[in-house]
Amino acid sequence: EVQLVESGGDLVQPGGSLRLSCAVSGFTLRDHFMDWVRQAPGKGLQWVARSRNKASGYTTDYAASVKGRFTISRDDSKNSLYLQMNSLKREDTAVYYCVSYRSGTPDWGQGTLVTVYS
Amino acid sequence: EIVLTQSPGTLSLSPGERATLSCRASQSVSGSYLGWYQQKPGQAPRLLIYGASIRATAFPDRFSGSGSGADFTLTISRLEPEDFAMYYCQWYGTSPVTFGQGTKVEIK
Repeated sequence: EVQLVESGGDLVQPGGSLRLSCAVSGFTLRDHFMDWVRQAPGKGLQWVARSRNKASGYTTDYAASVKGRFTISRDDSKNSLYLQMNSLKREDTAVYYCVSYRSGTPDWGQGTLVTVYS
Repeated sequence: EIVLTQSPGTLSLSPGERATLSCRASQSVSGSYLGWYQQKPGQAPRLLIYGASIRATAFPDRFSGSGSGADFTLTISRLEPEDFAMYYCQWYGTSPVTFGQGTKVEIK
């Protein structure tokens, strides 16, 4: 059974940093593309970042709103995906979900809440 | 970037009625990477349809997806009380991944 479990969400002040983790099980992480997607309170879904699989050279892409501030990474040996978030802004407040794509099928975790406040 | 436009924004229907939700892409896309999600308040989105027309096993057959090119449709044949929720479409074939703004299906 595929499972994705996010952690690391917290309250943080503007300008601060936070590292989110996504522990995966039920599949081999290195073989699959992984995304982070967020949802601000009362808003729609917004893609944040992508980490491609080993076959695609582990390349990454970012949404314009987070490029230069967020870094997506993975540790295949630990079956974990990460999102390092620096220079956080109030508008980064959201539930952050990790998403895997196995054979064209998205699987989502339950999310972790990040609140940026002053 | 593929822009997805969902319509209508809100659909007010009664239980037992048919719901038809539209998702239009700004250019032709491969349906292999077009998905639909159901989301209820306080919950994570649940994958409902992937590959434009493949229903996730957790959902009953009153849900169906169709379409190709730039026009995709989610149909709920007969609304049950538990179907009133927000629905999003998603393009995940290339980055940037994009989502429609959502259609709220509410009880009339």
